[in-house]
Amino acid sequence: AQSVAQPEDQVNVAEGNPLTVKCTYSVSGNPYLFWYVQYPNRGLQFLLKYITGDNLVKGSYGFEAEFNKSQTSFHLKKPSALVSDSALYFCAVRASSAGNNRKLIWGLGTSLAVNP
Amino acid sequence: DTGVSQNPRHKITKRGQNVTFRCDPISEHNRLYWYRQTLGQGPEFLTYFQNEAQLEKSRLLSDRFSAERPKGSFSTLEIQRTEQGDSAMYLCASSLVSAGPQETQYFGPGTRLLVL
Repeated sequence: AQSVAQPEDQVNVAEGNPLTVKCTYSVSGNPYLFWYVQYPNRGLQFLLKYITGDNLVKGSYGFEAEFNKSQTSFHLKKPSALVSDSALYFCAVRASSAGNNRKLIWGLGTSLAVNP
Repeated sequence: DTGVSQNPRHKITKRGQNVTFRCDPISEHNRLYWYRQTLGQGPEFLTYFQNEAQLEKSRLLSDRFSAERPKGSFSTLEIQRTEQGDSAMYLCASSLVSAGPQETQYFGPGTRLLVL
């Protein structure tokens, strides 16, 4: 069965410090991996995705994510956190073998708090 | 603004009433998804359309829920005889099916429903 795990409910980091939000996945076949961010009472905003190729993917707002096939992980990173990065972050996966069924499998989310 | 739009943004209703939400996708997108999200959870898939065809409906969706996309553009989600358990954020997303399995879903701001 396909699944996504975000092992940390909450991550706290000081402004200016690097941040990491973790995601591991389980799919049959090759994965397509996505990160979204959700601000309070708002919809989800697409940050970045991994399809194939370079394991380091760069996205919006200075975020990047590293795909690690052996560890089945896709951790979200940012070199220097901003207070405005405080939000809820969701990881999602779709198998490349999904065919016409393009549903995303979602993690439960990680709340990021960046302290001034 | 050419993003996904949803109306209304907020809806308060009494138990037993019917409610209808509207989603306008990004104009060239032919796929449209509906999700439900409760506090502390990731998006829960409800249903999706390709053009005007409803291709899949979640087993979690009771008969009180119905969705339409009559002309392959905007979509409506109706909940009949609302219950307090229906209180949630209802999210709409759209995508381009020609992108293949790597398609990216773009979300609207959501409609927050409160059933009293």
